[in-house]
Amino acid sequence: AQSVTQPDIHITVSEGASLELRCNYSYGATPYLFWYVQSPGQGLQLLLKYFSGDTLVQGIKGFEAEFKRSQSSFNLRKPSVHWSDAAEYFCAVGAKGNNAGKSTFGDGTTLTVKP
Amino acid sequence: NAGVMQNPRHLVRRRGQEARLRCSPMKGHSHVYWYRQLPEEGLKFMVYLQKENIIDESGMPKERFSAEFPKEGPSILRIQQVVRGDSAAYFCASSPSDRGEETQYFGPGTRLLVL
Repeated sequence: AQSVTQPDIHITVSEGASLELRCNYSYGATPYLFWYVQSPGQGLQLLLKYFSGDTLVQGIKGFEAEFKRSQSSFNLRKPSVHWSDAAEYFCAVGAKGNNAGKSTFGDGTTLTVKP
Repeated sequence: NAGVMQNPRHLVRRRGQEARLRCSPMKGHSHVYWYRQLPEEGLKFMVYLQKENIIDESGMPKERFSAEFPKEGPSILRIQQVVRGDSAAYFCASSPSDRGEETQYFGPGTRLLVL
């Protein structure tokens, strides 16, 4: 069965500092990997996704993530954090094949941005 | 193109009442997924439906919960005889196909509070 672990429950960074959110997954083959952001009281917005090819994926809002098969990781990064990035971030893994659209989510990392 | 719509956004029920949550997928999307988010947790898959069919309900509690996606109209998640433990945010997502790499678009969620 697939699973996702986000080791950091809460991270605080200063505005302008770099950010890395960790995600480790468990899956039998190369997975489909996603990062979502959720602002308070809102739904989820897709930041980026990885299916195959280049292991460094660019997303919206200046985010990127790198797929590392050897470490079973898909960490999210941003070189300079803005106050508006404060939110909850979810990593998710999706299965391959048909009827495989359901995703397994991690428990999320809450990001606080200090002025 | 309107996004995924969910209503109501907030729902308060007393123990033993019924809760009906509605989800209208994006135009052209015939695949709907329901997820539940308990406080301080990530999203947990509940059920995957296509028009008039339940494809995967492996995440649905065996009792009191049901879902449908009729030929016409929104998808409905129904919870009978609600209990306090049903208090959560319920999110619906839609996609144009069932392939794992397909982006799922999330609605804003329905926050259910059981008194």
